[in-house]
Amino acid sequence: RKEVEQDPGPFNVPEGATVAFNCTYSNSASQSFFWYRQDCRKEPKLLMSVYSSGNEDGRFTAQLNRASQYISLLIRDSKLSDSATYLCVVRGRDDKIIFGKGTRLHILP
Amino acid sequence: EAGVAQSPRYKIIEKRQSVAFWCNPISGHATLYWYQQILGQGPKLLIQFQNNGVVDDSQLPKDRFSAERLKGVDSTLKIQPAKLEDSAVYLCASSLEFGGFQETQYFGPGTRLLVL
Repeated sequence: RKEVEQDPGPFNVPEGATVAFNCTYSNSASQSFFWYRQDCRKEPKLLMSVYSSGNEDGRFTAQLNRASQYISLLIRDSKLSDSATYLCVVRGRDDKIIFGKGTRLHILP
Repeated sequence: EAGVAQSPRYKIIEKRQSVAFWCNPISGHATLYWYQQILGQGPKLLIQFQNNGVVDDSQLPKDRFSAERLKGVDSTLKIQPAKLEDSAVYLCASSLEFGGFQETQYFGPGTRLLVL
């Protein structure tokens, strides 16, 4: 099993729809979890940290499921500007930082 | 606040040549990271510095790659000699600290390397 795994997509979603994707991780001792967003030919930027209790920022909700070892990202009322690649990042107890390969999202007008 | 600066932005070299990349992190950021991002993949951590000490270089191909952060501020990453498979974007990132709530990484624009 890969250390951090994401569905590469692409997810083609109509504008205004809700979309969700998951990221699974293999190290049960992982400490910190993040979602980064990367636009085409740009650098990654932090979207959200993922806390044990889950967190919400506007249209974005992130959840952590330690029992099943995955994190999720939910985007409501999707906008054209949400089109990007979403990278899952996990930091293990050994402090090793691992990025997933990313999930590509295309919002269709 | 100025972001993470990297140079050059683009570099084209032939295989077996040497190349160096420079990174200046956000002022006050103790942690500096170098990543390699191959097209279609997520960034792969090459090396992580805490001030001028190495925290993790387990994925750095040490036979050809080297990195330093002598004064705990800016950093250079060198490849010598380059191979075709080194063609990628090299991203530098910095964070205020490592671990805790200040570990958000801020990325520079990257250096696009093409090895012919």
